[in-house]
Amino acid sequence: EVKLLESGGGLVQPGGSLKLSCAASGFDFSRYWMSWVRQAPGKGLEWIGEINPDSSTINYTPSLKDKFIISRDNAKNTLYLQMSKVRSEDTALYYCARPLYGNYGGFAYWGQGTLVTVSA
Amino acid sequence: ENVLTQSPAIMSASLGEKVTMSCRASSSVNYMYWYQQKSDASPKLWIYYTSNLAPGVPARFSGSGSGNSYSLTISSMEGEDAATYYCQQFTSSPYTFGGGTKLEIK
Repeated sequence: EVKLLESGGGLVQPGGSLKLSCAASGFDFSRYWMSWVRQAPGKGLEWIGEINPDSSTINYTPSLKDKFIISRDNAKNTLYLQMSKVRSEDTALYYCARPLYGNYGGFAYWGQGTLVTVSA
Repeated sequence: ENVLTQSPAIMSASLGEKVTMSCRASSSVNYMYWYQQKSDASPKLWIYYTSNLAPGVPARFSGSGSGNSYSLTISSMEGEDAATYYCQQFTSSPYTFGGGTKLEIK
């Protein structure tokens, strides 16, 4: 069974940093592109970015490119999101997601999300 | 960035009623993907490659469209279908989502 488990969320001050993790199990993590998606309270979904299996290609939504860094450790089956210079508008539930196939087919698997709250 | 506009933003339907919601892209896309999200739950892939139902999705759902215009249709509304539906494109990065259509029971 495919499982994605995010962690690392919490309260962070404006301008601060936080690193989120997504532990994957039940599939060959090293063969899949992985993405981060966030959802602000009461709002819609926003794709943050993706990373390919060997970390040689990382794509971001342009507005977040200078603040967030996506990485992965295939030996640990874990995806990461390093957040920096956070602002109140970064308050959201952060999901990791895996596509149906290697890098396509839509996001067939989602974690339960980890909540990040930016507040002084 | 390819902007996806969903309409209507909110709609209500009676049980047994046919439902259709729209997703329009600012630039042409190859396929459209749809997700269902219920309160306090993670999104679920509902339709992929425009018209393929994800496993477990009832056959009363269907997807269609091409180019800039796509739609999700429910042939006969059931109570469990009340949710928010999002479209998403994977044709070009960033892989944008639409703003969602909230479907309620009338």
